[in-house]
Order: sequence, then C-alpha cells, then structure tokens
Amino acid sequence: EAGVTQSPTHLIKTRGQQATLRCSPISGHTSVYWYQQALGLGLQFLLWYDEGEERNRGNFPPRFSGRQFPNYSSELNVNALELEDSALYLCASRDEGRTNYGYTFGSGTRLTVV
Amino acid sequence: DAKTTQPPSMDCAEGRAANLPCNHSTISGNEYVYWYRQIHSQGPQYIIHGLKNNETNEMASLIITEDRKSSTLILPHATLRDTAVYYCIVRGVYSGGGADGLTFGKGTHLIIQP
Repeated sequence: EAGVTQSPTHLIKTRGQQATLRCSPISGHTSVYWYQQALGLGLQFLLWYDEGEERNRGNFPPRFSGRQFPNYSSELNVNALELEDSALYLCASRDEGRTNYGYTFGSGTRLTVV
Repeated sequence: DAKTTQPPSMDCAEGRAANLPCNHSTISGNEYVYWYRQIHSQGPQYIIHGLKNNETNEMASLIITEDRKSSTLILPHATLRDTAVYYCIVRGVYSGGGADGLTFGKGTHLIIQP
C-alpha cells in the first residue's frame, strides 16, 4: 500500500511569489491535514480537508489556502510568500471512519523563501 | 484535548530499553494516548496508541497507569535508528479531525548512544 505522497520534495521561491504544494493521501482515506514545521519549532496545524470540504484551519493568515479534489488529493497554496514561510510542510491522511486510528504522514515539502 | 508533559531530552545506551514518560493528568475518559516519533526532517511516524490497557506492537509497548494520568512508551532494544523526537498526544475518540488535527507539543528528544 502506497503511503502519503507529497510533491515537490523541495521548493525554492522568491518573496512575494506563490507556492503550490501537493499531497496524495493513502487510498481510501478521505481526510487530509496540513501542518507547518518551521526550523526548530513544533508542528503547527494549518488546514483539515474531508470529503472535499475545508473542515477547519489553524491560526494562519488567509494567504494560506488549499483545496481537496474528488480523488481526495489536496493542494496547499501559499500566496504572497514571506521569508518566515520557509518551513517543512507536512501532509497527513486519516480514515475518518476509524476514529481511533492513527494519522499517516508524508515526508513533507521543504519550502525555502529567499 | 488534554495537555501532555514530556521531558525535553533523554539518553539511552544502544541495546537497552528506552522508557519515555508522559504526563497527561487532565485526560478525559474517552481520550486515547498516541505516540509518534519524528526522525530529523522527516514526517512523524505513528508508533502506538492505547486507551487504558497496556498495548504492544512490533515497534514498542505502551504502559498506561491505572488512573490514566501518565503513560510510558518502551522501546525494548533501542538502536541508533531510534534517535528521534518522540511525541505523546492525547486525542478524543469521536473528535474526528478535531479543531486542530493532532496537537504536537515539543516532545522528547531521545538520543541513543553507541
């Protein structure tokens, strides 16, 4: 069974540009979660998508947005990039039908804003 | 969700059992204890979870005290590859993605010494 896949692995952007990060959940998982992990900091919850809908978002500005497609894959878009957006962005998926089961994380996208 | 407290760092000799403590004194009756680990710059990896009974899988054992206010993750024969940050997380059963997915604290940085 393929795990959670994220692309690209690394992304370098200039301040003010837009970045698009992609995530494919485990087959059968309908929920996708996005997290940001800045250098030396813990994981901060960004967004939760389930069945194509945004269910909740963390304490991030509106320039962080995303969507979930009918095949449950997801995109995270970061507009008007700032230097402090440089971080590891992690995606996780979960089978919401098994509420006591763990989340599976991808390997992340390392975004560098210069 | 209940808050957890973990020591910031621990050392363990290779081949010995690593015992990682976690306090969760405000845990509710329907909240599970999850353990994840994150090896440098990778996505967190699910290890084990439990409600009130001790649990064991191929990776580790989870010992939960009778009052459920604390737990211990045991890696029976630690190897150098077990060096990672270990997160103890408490999560409700029916919270789905919840307000913030999983809430990661700072975890315990476990260093396995050769």
